Amino acid sequence: AQSVAQPEDQVNVAEGNPLTVKCTYSVSGNPYLFWYVQYPNRGLQFLLKYITGDNLVKGSYGFEAEFNKSQTSFHLKKPSALVSDSALYFCAVRDRTGANNLFFGTGTRLTVIP
Amino acid sequence: DGGITQSPKYLFRKEGQNVTLSCEQNLNHDAMYWYRQDPGQGLRLIYYSQIVNDFQKGDIAEGYSVSREKKESFPLTVTSAQKNPTAFYLCASSIDVGQGINQPQHFGDGTRLSIL
Repeated sequence: AQSVAQPEDQVNVAEGNPLTVKCTYSVSGNPYLFWYVQYPNRGLQFLLKYITGDNLVKGSYGFEAEFNKSQTSFHLKKPSALVSDSALYFCAVRDRTGANNLFFGTGTRLTVIP
Repeated sequence: DGGITQSPKYLFRKEGQNVTLSCEQNLNHDAMYWYRQDPGQGLRLIYYSQIVNDFQKGDIAEGYSVSREKKESFPLTVTSAQKNPTAFYLCASSIDVGQGINQPQHFGDGTRLSIL
């Protein structure tokens, strides 16, 4: 069965510092991986995806994510955090071999401190 | 602008009442989805539809019903059988699975349902 784990409910980082939001996954075969961001009382916005190829994926708003097959991880990163990055971040996985549905992690709330 | 419109933004339900949440998309997407979001639990799939006049149960379909009479529309009814309906409901859409399984889902801005 597919699953996604986001081990940290909350991440705090100072403005200007690098940030990392962690995600690990479990899926049969090679996965499709996604990161989404959610601002208060809004829907989810797509940030980036890993399908195949280069393990370092670049996405919107300066975010990037590193796919690590041996560690089954897909951590979200940004070199320099902004206060406006404060939001709820979701990692999701879609199994290539079956249905197209997404399996979401429980979310990580990122707070960037001025 | 292309996108997904959910209405209303806030909805209140009385005991024993059915309520319907609207979801409309003008992205020409074939697949549509309904998720429920509760604090600390992430998103859970209620129903999804890959084509008009067809839909499938997700992980938590009990107490909910849907219809897909038009490609653009995928309304969700929260029935009185759903005993804990208070949540944030999100609708999403995506390109047909066969053509774009690696394409992201696009989300509306949600409907917050509360019990009176």
